[in-house]
Amino acid sequence: SQKIEQNSEALNIQEGKTATLTCNYTNYSPAYLQWYRQDPGRGPVFLLLIRENEKEKRKERLKVTFDTTLKQSLFHITASQPADSATYLCALDMSGSSASKIIFGSGTRLSIRP
Amino acid sequence: GAVVSQHPSRVICKSGTSVKIECRSLDFQATTMFWYRQFPKQSLMLMATSNEGSKATYEQGVEKDKFLINHASLTLSTLTVTSAHPEDSSFYICSAPGGTGNTIYFGEGSWLTVV
Repeated sequence: SQKIEQNSEALNIQEGKTATLTCNYTNYSPAYLQWYRQDPGRGPVFLLLIRENEKEKRKERLKVTFDTTLKQSLFHITASQPADSATYLCALDMSGSSASKIIFGSGTRLSIRP
Repeated sequence: GAVVSQHPSRVICKSGTSVKIECRSLDFQATTMFWYRQFPKQSLMLMATSNEGSKATYEQGVEKDKFLINHASLTLSTLTVTSAHPEDSSFYICSAPGGTGNTIYFGEGSWLTVV
């Protein structure tokens, strides 16, 4: 079965630096890979989706890469701010045809210190 | 504003009783919704796929008779935890694919505490 691993359970970095989070998966390459943000006690919020034929996707200070050879996605937050502190979840679609039935990685808890 | 709404946001129930959680899509129709459970400091685990007008599809290890799912309309799915036990205490979250593109909207979640 498909497995998703987010290597770091927690990551602490200084404000202003770039945070880089890693997501690795096994087995088949999904058509889509997504990143979500989750704050304590809240539901996840969609951030970015990257397709298998896309190498990189950007949105403001966020950047996602997708390497189907390495079976890995990297999630970057540049010029990090304390407000970026949250848990970030990598997710893969399991349906094969639409990004709806998704499974999540264990998440990385990111803390940005002032 | 939220496009998927869950109710209640918090509920406490006694062991042995049943509790119902609602998931509504606002301003769009959802023939499919998904239910997740999240224990403290763990990730979201997919429980089941709720299908409008037909039976839900449950993930391996999830008891269908304990977690009853009903998707009676295009905007509402309900999850009923039957004969609740303290170990059912968790954060339950639903999601629904958005009207366009591949965006998935999640509800705000429902905290269930069984005492």
